[in-house]
This record gives sequence, structure tokens and C-alpha cells, in this order.
Amino acid sequence: NAGVTQTPKFQVLKTGQSMTLQCAQDMNHEYMSWYRQDPGMGLRLIHYSVGAGITDQGEVPNGYNVSRSTTEDFPLRLLSAAPSQTSVYFCASSYSFLGRTGESYEQYFGPGTRLTVT
Amino acid sequence: EDKVVQSPLSLVVHEGDTVTLNCSYEVTNFRSLLWYKQEKKAPTFLFMLTSSGIEKKSGRLSSILDKKELSSILNITATQTGDSAIYLCVVLKTSYDKVIFGPGTSLSVIP
Repeated sequence: NAGVTQTPKFQVLKTGQSMTLQCAQDMNHEYMSWYRQDPGMGLRLIHYSVGAGITDQGEVPNGYNVSRSTTEDFPLRLLSAAPSQTSVYFCASSYSFLGRTGESYEQYFGPGTRLTVT
Repeated sequence: EDKVVQSPLSLVVHEGDTVTLNCSYEVTNFRSLLWYKQEKKAPTFLFMLTSSGIEKKSGRLSSILDKKELSSILNITATQTGDSAIYLCVVLKTSYDKVIFGPGTSLSVIP
């Protein structure tokens, strides 16, 4: 298994540009999510999906869109990039929603995408 | 406002030392607390704690949750240089809208 893959690894955008961060997993996981990590603020949930066709907002959804047309893919779209969106973005997946699988729960993370908006 | 606090924020120890990392939380509708280890890549899962007072162990790492004190500790005994990482404390809510991450404790283990 490749696990959770993300592309690109690095990206520089100008203010106002749009782009899509790709995320895919080959573990047949039901739950996928996007986080951003900023210094001193920990990881914050942007959007999540509990299954194909189902998405919902997390803690910091503004400026981002997601879709989940297949179980494997969960792309994150930046509609009009702003410097405040400079961050490291992580995609994660798990068998089920956080904790529902019980004590053996694990959430798998992708390697991250470092995005800079100038 | 939900929040997770970790202390210390950074720590430098020598190989062989024992360290204790702290996590406290103020979260409504608490479900579980998780610990992750993050090196120069994505976080990796360590423990999930749901019940108070039950210690989880994995090798030299152990963790316990105290729901009365709204806190958890992560212990690492006989530290090694490979333990150098950021340790993240994460709280899950019973609702589906938020996962609260602490700022992390940066641990450096020097030979």
C-alpha cells in the first residue's frame, strides 16, 4: 500500500491564484480530512469527509472547498489564494470517523504540502 | 472556547533521561485524547485514551488520562536520540466538527 499520498510537496502561488491540493489513499478508508499546520497553533481541521459524496466543514473552512467523488480521493481547492493561507497542509485518513473503531484506531497522515502565497 | 495546552513547549534532555510531557484541555463534549509523534514528516499515532486512569504502554512510552484533572501525561523512559520529535496532544469531541490539536512539545534528545 502507498498509504496516503499528497501532491505537490511544495507550491508557491501569487495572491488571487487558485489551485488544487491532491490527496489519495489506497486503504479503502471511509474518513478523510484536511488540516493546516501553522507555527504555534497546532494542526487545525479545515474540511472532512465521512464517506464518498459526504463532506463537511471543520474549524477553519473559509477559502477552501473540497469534494469526495470517490473513496480514494479528497482534493482540497484554494479558490483565491491569500498570504494567510501560507501553511503546511496535511491530508489524513482512517477506517472510520475518529475513535469509532475503538482502541485500535489510527489516523494516517500524508507527507504534507508546503504552500507559500506571495 | 475549546483549547488544548501542552507543557513544556520545548525540552532538551540527555540520552537515558526520563521525560514527562503534559497536556491539559478545556473542551466541551470530550470524547478521547490522542498522542502523536511528529518528526520531519507527517504525525504518527502513539496512543488513544478514552478512559480515565488506565495506562497505555508501548515500549518505553506510556500515557495516562485523568478526566477529573482534564489532563494527560506522556512518559518516555530511557530516552534515545530517535525520540527527538514534536509530540502532539489531540482532543476529539463527540460531535463531528472539530479536532483540537495542542501546539506540541518539541523534544530534543542529545547524546
